[in-house]
Amino acid sequence: EPEVTQTPSHQVTQMGQEVILRCVPISNHLYFYWYRQILGQKVEFLVSFYNNEISEKSEIFDDQFSVERPDGSNFTLKIRSTKLEDSAMYFCASSLGTSGTGELFFGEGSRLTVL
Amino acid sequence: SQKIEQNSEALNIQEGKTATLTCNYTNYSPAYLQWYRQDPGRGPVFLLLIRENEKEKRKERLKVTFDTTLKQSLFHITASQPADSATYLCALAPRAGGGNKLTFGTGTQLKVEL
Repeated sequence: EPEVTQTPSHQVTQMGQEVILRCVPISNHLYFYWYRQILGQKVEFLVSFYNNEISEKSEIFDDQFSVERPDGSNFTLKIRSTKLEDSAMYFCASSLGTSGTGELFFGEGSRLTVL
Repeated sequence: SQKIEQNSEALNIQEGKTATLTCNYTNYSPAYLQWYRQDPGRGPVFLLLIRENEKEKRKERLKVTFDTTLKQSLFHITASQPADSATYLCALAPRAGGGNKLTFGTGTQLKVEL
């Protein structure tokens, strides 16, 4: 069964450092997303990406965040200068259609720890 | 602001019984409501989707109801098993043209005991 894969599974970084989280969505999917989940809290939307551009972003997704689909298969989330409060599990997801019309397939997540 | 509430306390039930989880929302008119399962340290896994014009949806031992007047969805697992123990998340999706993000509730932890 096709799946969304994410790397790394866990990254520890110092505050102020840049981090890139990588995702390989399911190959025929058209919509890509990043969500995050702070420990013990709910899953929160960060950004959606369609047709090689951001289609929607949340207030969390400020100028420190960026996304890219550099080569037609990978989908990356970059955090330019990490803060302590960026520590969370980051989930990549993809879907064939818009999120309301069908399921989102989530990866297993990348746990980011900012020290 | 939009608010989605799920039972914050864990739900403990005995194997074989029916588990019923609640999702209430305010200040939102979703076109779709989805339920996901999340195991500790793992990503959410899709279970069921129900549209605003549907009252009930079933899939194997799972049943979802959606009452847009009460602004509530109920999620039932019949003949529950210990393997059903997990956190269950409801998520709301907007109408066409209203964006593409899912808004998740905090989830309800279900524990099925032998």
